[in-house]
Amino acid sequence: EAGVVQSPRYKIIEKKQPVAFWCNPISGHNTLYWYRQNLGQGPELLIRYENEEAVDDSQLPKDRFSAERLKGVDSTLKIQPAELGDSAVYLCASSRSPGTGGTGYGYTFGSGTRLTVV
Amino acid sequence: DAKTTQPPSMDCAEGRAANLPCNHSTISGNEYVYWYRQIHSQGPQYIIHGLKNNETNEMASLIITEDRKSSTLILPHATLRDTAVYYCIARMIQGAQKLVFGQGTRLTINP
Repeated sequence: EAGVVQSPRYKIIEKKQPVAFWCNPISGHNTLYWYRQNLGQGPELLIRYENEEAVDDSQLPKDRFSAERLKGVDSTLKIQPAELGDSAVYLCASSRSPGTGGTGYGYTFGSGTRLTVV
Repeated sequence: DAKTTQPPSMDCAEGRAANLPCNHSTISGNEYVYWYRQIHSQGPQYIIHGLKNNETNEMASLIITEDRKSSTLILPHATLRDTAVYYCIARMIQGAQKLVFGQGTRLTINP
């Protein structure tokens, strides 16, 4: 089975410019997550979707970040305008929702998008 | 989720067993211990999880102390490809809970 697919793999932009990241989760995984990972740190959750509904966006900086998951499959994370401090790796992950079968609730992560803001 | 504490770095010789410790003294009865690893330029990868019994799979073994306040991840025959950052996480299995990562242990396998 294909894993979680993210694009682009790398992105370099100037500050104040917009940027968008795309994620295609594993087929059948209803839960989708966006994490941000700063250099030398573990990933931190930005937003979690159950199907098309954002159920936990408490850590998403809503003044400049937005996300959507239309039709409950693919998702896009956007930053507008980007700041120098947004340079990080943005990771997407997906998992089965509880009660939908399968063993365990292990996440599957994509390889991430490395954003550099200059 | 209970806080976990891991050493920031460890070294191990290729072919030897790598034993990675994790302290989780405030873990609750319904929290599992999960281990993930992150190889350079990749996303975290699930390794193993357990509640109170020792667990083994094709990747590793997980030893949890009887009081559940600490655990050890064992890579029985470490290879150079096992060089990565290893994260120990305590989380409830019910519900699609977020993963709360610490800084993990940077394991370096030396030839």
